[in-house]
Amino acid sequence: KQEVTQIPAALSVPEGENLVLNCSFTDSAIYNLQWFRQDPGKGLTSLLLIQSSQREQTSGRLNASLDKSSGRSTLYIAASQPGDSATYLCAVGSGGGADGLTFGKGTHLIIQP
Amino acid sequence: DAGVIQSPRHEVTEMGQEVTLRCKPISGHNSLFWYRQTMMRGLELLIYFNNNVPIDDSGMPEDRFSAKMPNASFSTLKIQPSEPRDSAVYFCASSLRRGTTDTQYFGPGTRLTVL
Repeated sequence: KQEVTQIPAALSVPEGENLVLNCSFTDSAIYNLQWFRQDPGKGLTSLLLIQSSQREQTSGRLNASLDKSSGRSTLYIAASQPGDSATYLCAVGSGGGADGLTFGKGTHLIIQP
Repeated sequence: DAGVIQSPRHEVTEMGQEVTLRCKPISGHNSLFWYRQTMMRGLELLIYFNNNVPIDDSGMPEDRFSAKMPNASFSTLKIQPSEPRDSAVYFCASSLRRGTTDTQYFGPGTRLTVL
């Protein structure tokens, strides 16, 4: 059974810093990996999706990398802003293209103004 | 596009009552997912449909839970009878299956409280 772990569980940094969130998964036979953002009391917003054949994806100040063989992904946030404060969730798709996702418990991020 | 629509947004009910949660996926999407989020267990997949057909319901916790997708525009998740441990936020998500690339788009969730 696929298990997804996110470290750290919580992180507080001053505005402007670059930071890295970590995600690891136990079964390397994945189809894709997705990073989400969740604001308090809200749904999930997809940030980046990396296919199993890709090594990284970039969107604005966000960069996500994938190392399937070691079962790891990282989300890099450049020049952090207070608006980046949220919970960031890593999710792995292990089955066929439209199968459900297995989620980590998330990293709660606070960016101090 | 209006995104994934869920109703109700909040539901408070008493133990033993029937609860029905509703979801309208994004138009044109062919896969629909129901997830549950709790503090203890995080986000868990309950069931998903592809082209209105249930593919995997192994995440449904008990026979008290059932889900249907009568057409491409509508799905329900029913709990009968409800119990306090069912209290959670229930999310519906949809995606367009294209090979292995399928970003899932989530609705705002239904916060269920069973007293």
